[in-house]
Amino acid sequence: ETGVTQTPRHLVMGMTNKKSLKCEQHLGHNAMYWYKQSAKKPLELMFVYNFKEQTENNSVPSRFSPECPNSSHLFLHLHTLQPEDSALYLCASSQGGGTSTDTQYFGPGTRLTVL
Amino acid sequence: AQSVTQLGSHVSVSEGALVLLRCNYSSSVPPYLFWYVQYPNQGLQLLLKYTTGATLVKGINGFEAEFKKSETSFHLTKPSAHMSDAAEYFCAVSRTGATNKLIFGTGTLLAVQP
Repeated sequence: ETGVTQTPRHLVMGMTNKKSLKCEQHLGHNAMYWYKQSAKKPLELMFVYNFKEQTENNSVPSRFSPECPNSSHLFLHLHTLQPEDSALYLCASSQGGGTSTDTQYFGPGTRLTVL
Repeated sequence: AQSVTQLGSHVSVSEGALVLLRCNYSSSVPPYLFWYVQYPNQGLQLLLKYTTGATLVKGINGFEAEFKKSETSFHLTKPSAHMSDAAEYFCAVSRTGATNKLIFGTGTLLAVQP
């Protein structure tokens, strides 16, 4: 595997379910990100981790819970979601401690549908 | 606060024609500027970025963009469109001296007609 991988690629869940999204980067990077991509809206940064420490939480509701056990893996735990949470969730990584010039490398995303 | 405006959510060009995708930014400090491309069912891929130095930046696949401070613009161009250029294009800005936070525009979907 190369680059940034995400599993699953598609997920359908009910509002009472608990599920997790997984992201893995094979680039030796130290910063990882979760973004939400909804139709006709800009990409929304959700969380940033630098060297496994959360450095950004963009006012994300607590029904989204991130976890970064090491620099290569990032999870997004989901529980009691709402239909408006349906979107494409993108993971990204970048090198170093995460400076503002770093190129971010994106995974293909998980298409989430909340019924 | 920083922001990005992409004029035209949909742009259609003929194969071989000039591609021009517009991006204007708002930033109180010198910005770093990026263009990303997203092909169907894929994540975003960096096309090019401006940090410092030369204001005309060349990227992959024949694309280039020019940073114009006086116009607060960073428009993306390609002299001759190919069918394979059909995708969604995102302009983004980050702040010098800040951490790794990108602010994205709403995207422009480029269609290339044969």
